[in-house]
Amino acid sequence: AQTVTQSQPEMSVQEAETVTLSCTYDTSESDYYLFWYKQPPSRQMILVIRQEAYKQQNATENRFSVNFQKAAKSFSLKISDSQLGDAAMYFCAYRSARGTGANSKLTFGKGITLSVRP
Amino acid sequence: DAMVIQNPRYQVTQFGKPVTLSCSQTLNHNVMYWYQQKSSQAPKLLFHYYDKDFNNEADTPDNFQSRRPNTSFCFLDIRSPGLGDAAMYLCATSRALRAHGYTFGSGTRLTVV
Repeated sequence: AQTVTQSQPEMSVQEAETVTLSCTYDTSESDYYLFWYKQPPSRQMILVIRQEAYKQQNATENRFSVNFQKAAKSFSLKISDSQLGDAAMYFCAYRSARGTGANSKLTFGKGITLSVRP
Repeated sequence: DAMVIQNPRYQVTQFGKPVTLSCSQTLNHNVMYWYQQKSSQAPKLLFHYYDKDFNNEADTPDNFQSRRPNTSFCFLDIRSPGLGDAAMYLCATSRALRAHGYTFGSGTRLTVV
């Protein structure tokens, strides 16, 4: 079974600075997808960025980028020019690229709470 | 806008009194999921529907049931809520294609008194 580990429960960053959130995962599969989700307080979880394992190029979405190290099974999220609205819980998640139904489920890490200091 | 809607946003129920949470979607997605999320923990998958096919996670208690009468709606029934069932319940949808992530609803915060 796949597992996702986020070992840092909390992080803090100064507004306008850069922060990196860590995530590692364990899988025996070679083809899969990785995601970062953001869950603001009392609001719905939204997709921040996704990475296909077969792509070597790291995904980027505006101020958000990832450092995907497939051999090391590491998938970190970098937030540049941090804004107050970035304060939220961030979840790293894994999804198999094989099969349907049960294999299509997301496996989440425990999440990390990011606070942004003004 | 296409979206996933969960009702109610907050639900208070009595210990042992059956409660139903609802989820609807306008995305026409094949798959609907129910997750339980306790404070500071990862969302835990309870079960999901792939079209009409129900898939229960092995460790989901029998106390939790689900119904999907049509593509748009999915319900979570808790037959006899205990204090330990107090949590945020998240509904999510996805297309069958694995490349896509989920679209989440805003969640229902369940309190058991």
